[in-house]
Amino acid sequence: SQTIHQWPATLVQPVGSPLSLECTVEGTSNPNLYWYRQAAGRGLQLLFYSVGIGQISSEVPQNLSASRPQDRQFILSSKKLLLSDSGFYLCAWSGEGTGGKTQYFGPGTRLLVL
Amino acid sequence: TQLLEQSPQFLSIQEGENLTVYCNSSSVFSSLQWYRQEPGEGPVLLVTVVTGGEVKKLKRLTFQFGDARKDSSLHITAAQPGDTGLYLCAGWENSGYALNFGKGTSLLVTP
Repeated sequence: SQTIHQWPATLVQPVGSPLSLECTVEGTSNPNLYWYRQAAGRGLQLLFYSVGIGQISSEVPQNLSASRPQDRQFILSSKKLLLSDSGFYLCAWSGEGTGGKTQYFGPGTRLLVL
Repeated sequence: TQLLEQSPQFLSIQEGENLTVYCNSSSVFSSLQWYRQEPGEGPVLLVTVVTGGEVKKLKRLTFQFGDARKDSSLHITAAQPGDTGLYLCAGWENSGYALNFGKGTSLLVTP
């Protein structure tokens, strides 16, 4: 069966510090991978998605970046965090291809920037 | 731009009551998914509806996909405190690589 991991679960970082959040998927190959941010228990904002190694699509301009160094690894990064980067970050995967694929979420990372 | 509108945004009811949550859009979706999320956790998939007019039941939860595949509803019968959570609808566009999410309906069921 497929599983998705995210770490760390919680992170407190000062403004201006760097960020690296990691997501890995097990039990599948060639997944589509996604990073979302969720504010205050509301809807999900898509940040990045990837359909293959080294292929990153950005949905929202920001000071965050994403990378996919391996097939089942997705990393969210920042060189200098802003207060507005605080939130709940969710990684997700779905089967390859477009439309109609079930999307599965990881447990999330709570980020607080002070 | 939020393509999916969910209503109501907040709902507080007593145990045993029935409720309906709506998810509406002007776009046509190839499929639509409903998730439930508890605080501090990732969303968990409840159901996927694919065919226009489709009705799916999951115990006390009934999901319906509109005939034109632009809207959906979630009906809960005899709500229980364990149904408390954030309910999210999300739709795939035909050529899209990513889901479009509604803003969610926050449900509180009190004993």
